[in-house]
Amino acid sequence: AQKITQTQPGMFVQEKEAVTLDCTYDTSDPSYGLFWYKQPSSGEMIFLIYQGSYDQQNATEGRYSLNFQKARKSANLVISASQLGDSAMYFCAIQGTSGTYKYIFGTGTRLKVLA
Amino acid sequence: DTAVSQTPKYLVTQMGNDKSIKCEQNLGHDTMYWYKQDSKKFLKIMFSYNNKELIINETVPNRFSPKSPDKAHLNLHINSLELGDSAVYFCASSQDPGQGYEQYFGPGTRLTVT
Repeated sequence: AQKITQTQPGMFVQEKEAVTLDCTYDTSDPSYGLFWYKQPSSGEMIFLIYQGSYDQQNATEGRYSLNFQKARKSANLVISASQLGDSAMYFCAIQGTSGTYKYIFGTGTRLKVLA
Repeated sequence: DTAVSQTPKYLVTQMGNDKSIKCEQNLGHDTMYWYKQDSKKFLKIMFSYNNKELIINETVPNRFSPKSPDKAHLNLHINSLELGDSAVYFCASSQDPGQGYEQYFGPGTRLTVT
């Protein structure tokens, strides 16, 4: 079974600053994937970034990077140069390889970017 | 062009009624999903179909029945609606059900049961 923990229910960051959103996970699968999604107030879920457990390098996508520390079982999302439009809920998810490859989502972190 | 679309966007109905939510994707994906997001924003998988075959069937009341007439469509029918069914229901699709494929979500259907 997989489990995702997001311990920060809410975060604030000043515009143009960087922010780290925490995500820790637990799994018994030898291979797995980690995803981050953004949910703005409009409600849609937007894929941000993916990290495979065997990827040697941390994933990056524009201003998003994933700080993957396998031994610590953490997959933190780093947003650089925050913008007002980054204000949203952010969800971490894990996808194992045993069984059905279903996503297990964390409880989310609400990020507010301050002008 | 919307990649994953759902209808209706809002659904308000009374307890005991039966309702359906429709989902269509134009991405050519093989796999589609239904998720439920509760009032605390917790998102949980309900069902998944791959090439019209049910591959994920989580522990949900059997009042919920998915149906996939073809790869591009996945509908959700709910019988005898209850207050606790009030939530946002998301449809999603992915190229493949396997590891590493991101899922594309629809805009959600906000169901309110009164």
